[in-house]
Amino acid sequence: LAKTTQPISMDSYEGQEVNITCSHNNIATNDYITWYQQFPSQGPRFIIQGYKTKVTNEVASLFIPADRKSSTLSLPRVSLSDTAVYYCLVGDIDSGYSTLTFGKGTMLLVSP
Amino acid sequence: NAGVMQNPRHLVRRRGQEARLRCSPMKGHSHVYWYRQLPEEGLKFMVYLQKENIIDESGMPKERFSAEFPKEGPSILRIQQVVRGDSAAYFCASSPRAGQPTLPYNEQFFGPGTRLTVL
Repeated sequence: LAKTTQPISMDSYEGQEVNITCSHNNIATNDYITWYQQFPSQGPRFIIQGYKTKVTNEVASLFIPADRKSSTLSLPRVSLSDTAVYYCLVGDIDSGYSTLTFGKGTMLLVSP
Repeated sequence: NAGVMQNPRHLVRRRGQEARLRCSPMKGHSHVYWYRQLPEEGLKFMVYLQKENIIDESGMPKERFSAEFPKEGPSILRIQQVVRGDSAAYFCASSPRAGQPTLPYNEQFFGPGTRLTVL
C-alpha cells in the first residue's frame, strides 16, 4: 500500500477556502485516492474519491496532478461545522475488497 | 433508511471482564468491517466479515479477541479478559459488496462507534 503523508493540523477561519495536501509518492497505477472526514465522537464519513485530474461534488473538490504523487482536498468557504479530522487514503481498484488504511489525518480547526 | 448502528455507545468494564460490541450494518449490506481507534491515533483495521464467514482477520490480536457475523442478527466483536490497553473506540463499517466495479470504489459506511473504557 502506498504510504500517505498529510499535515498534522491546519487552522482556518469561517468563509475561507481550505486546501489540504496529501503526498503519496509510491502510488501504484491501480490505486485510487479517497478522502474521509471524521467529526469528534463519530465514525468517518466518505467525502470524495478520484483517480486523476479533478473531481468535484457538493462537499469538496479533489485535485490530482498528472504524476498522481499528491492530491489536494479543497473545501470552499469553510464553516465552524467543518472542524474535523480529514484522512487521505490510497487503495487498489483491482482488489476484490480493500480494507481501509487510515493514517493520523489532518485536524482542521475552523475559527469564527 | 437507518445507517450503521452500534451498541452500546459507551461501555465500561473492569479488567478481566468480557466486552461484547454489536454492529448492525446498513440494510442490504452484507460486508462488515471492524476498526479500532486508540486515542490520538488513526483507525486500524481489525477484521472483515461476510455473513457467517471471516474473510480477513489479519488486524485482530491473536488472543482474547473474536468476531462473528451470524446469518441472523448483528455482527459481534468480543473481547475476553479485557485489559486497560483495550480502552479505545471501536468502529464498525459496512458495504454492499466488496470490489464493486463502480464509483466510488470500496466506500464504507461507518457507525458511531463504541467507546470502551477498561478500569
